[in-house]
Amino acid sequence: DGGITQSPKYLFRKEGQNVTLSCEQNLNHDAMYWYRQDPGQGLRLIYYSQIVNDFQKGDIAEGYSVSREKKESFPLTVTSAQKNPTAFYLCASLGPQETQYFGPGTRLLVL
Amino acid sequence: RKEVEQDPGPFNVPEGATVAFNCTYSNSASQSFFWYRQDCRKEPKLLMSVYSSGNEDGRFTAQLNRASQYISLLIRDSKLSDSATYLCVVNANDYKLSFGAGTTVTVRA
Repeated sequence: DGGITQSPKYLFRKEGQNVTLSCEQNLNHDAMYWYRQDPGQGLRLIYYSQIVNDFQKGDIAEGYSVSREKKESFPLTVTSAQKNPTAFYLCASLGPQETQYFGPGTRLLVL
Repeated sequence: RKEVEQDPGPFNVPEGATVAFNCTYSNSASQSFFWYRQDCRKEPKLLMSVYSSGNEDGRFTAQLNRASQYISLLIRDSKLSDSATYLCVVNANDYKLSFGAGTTVTVRA
């Protein structure tokens, strides 16, 4: 089945630690996205990538980094510089008719 | 001002009722509009695109009003399974979509 997978489902971060969230897609989509969702708020764009080896900052990129070495993969690193990382992180790709396809998400919690 | 604003609700309605809600957007250059559905602690999924002439998909009807810069969603004959948060999504350029915070609908038996 085609789709987007994210791992892990839950992730715990200790203070000062960098953590990486995985996102893989087999939909052959060029564009991929990372969003953050906090309770009662809409999705906020962290980074997006239109094509391999290229990515742009979204609205809340500070404290995050990404790479896009392969079309299928778009990992997100939450660095120690992100002081309030607890949130629901959603990875997505852009398909036909501008439809966004989302992965199941990763919940990041700070210990 | 937020790019996309929605009434957070919640809208509590009995089964079989009709419920409708709007979403306003600030960028008059916006070209594409969508409604997504998000269940609790799950990822959003596309419910329907919104076309200029309005469109219907079963019990769901979406309308676009460009002059007043809002889109609407109407759900007829509500089912328990319609309980969810409905996200309004607007695309002003090719790659960046703006999401509203969502409108929560709860359908009770």
